[in-house]
Amino acid sequence: NAGVTQTPKFQVLKTGQSMTLQCAQDMNHEYMSWYRQDPGMGLRLIHYSVGAGITDQGEVPNGYNVSRSTTEDFPLRLLSAAPSQTSVYFCASSYAKDRSLAKNIQYFGAGTRLSVL
Amino acid sequence: DAKTTQPTSMDCAEGRAANLPCNHSTISGNEYVYWYRQIHSQGPQYIIHGLKNNETNEMASLIITEDRKSSTLILPHATLRDTAVYYCIVRVGRGGSNYKLTFGKGTLLTVNP
Repeated sequence: NAGVTQTPKFQVLKTGQSMTLQCAQDMNHEYMSWYRQDPGMGLRLIHYSVGAGITDQGEVPNGYNVSRSTTEDFPLRLLSAAPSQTSVYFCASSYAKDRSLAKNIQYFGAGTRLSVL
Repeated sequence: DAKTTQPTSMDCAEGRAANLPCNHSTISGNEYVYWYRQIHSQGPQYIIHGLKNNETNEMASLIITEDRKSSTLILPHATLRDTAVYYCIVRVGRGGSNYKLTFGKGTLLTVNP
């Protein structure tokens, strides 16, 4: 198993550009999420999904869109990049069936380092 | 989720045991203790979890006090690659619908040669 794969690893954007951060997992996990990590701020939840076709907002969703058309993929879209979106982005996944104990065992990707100039 | 308190930083000599404490005095009966770590520039990594019994896996051991108000993560033979920020998280196990993990500031463990 590859686990959780994020692409690209690094990206530089100009203000106003759009892009999609890719996240894929091969563990058949129902739950997937996106976090951003900034110095001194810890990890903050952007969006999450408990299954294909279901998404919901986290604590910092503004400026980001997500969709979940398959169990495996959960892309994060930046609609119009802003310097405040310069950050490291992590995708995570876990089992979610029946509100099981395993939902708290989340597997993270290696991250995408994004700079917006 | 119950609040947790961890030391900001700790040092450990390579090859020695690293004992990382966590205080969670307001933990409730259905909350588990989870440990994650984040090596520099990598994504967080799950280590171990427990309810009230001591737990051990290939990565670490978790000791939870009888009153469950504190716990200790033990890395039995620390290596340089164990240098990371370690997070103690207390979460409801079964029955909760909130999937968000709150990582806090954690403990920076530095393993020295």
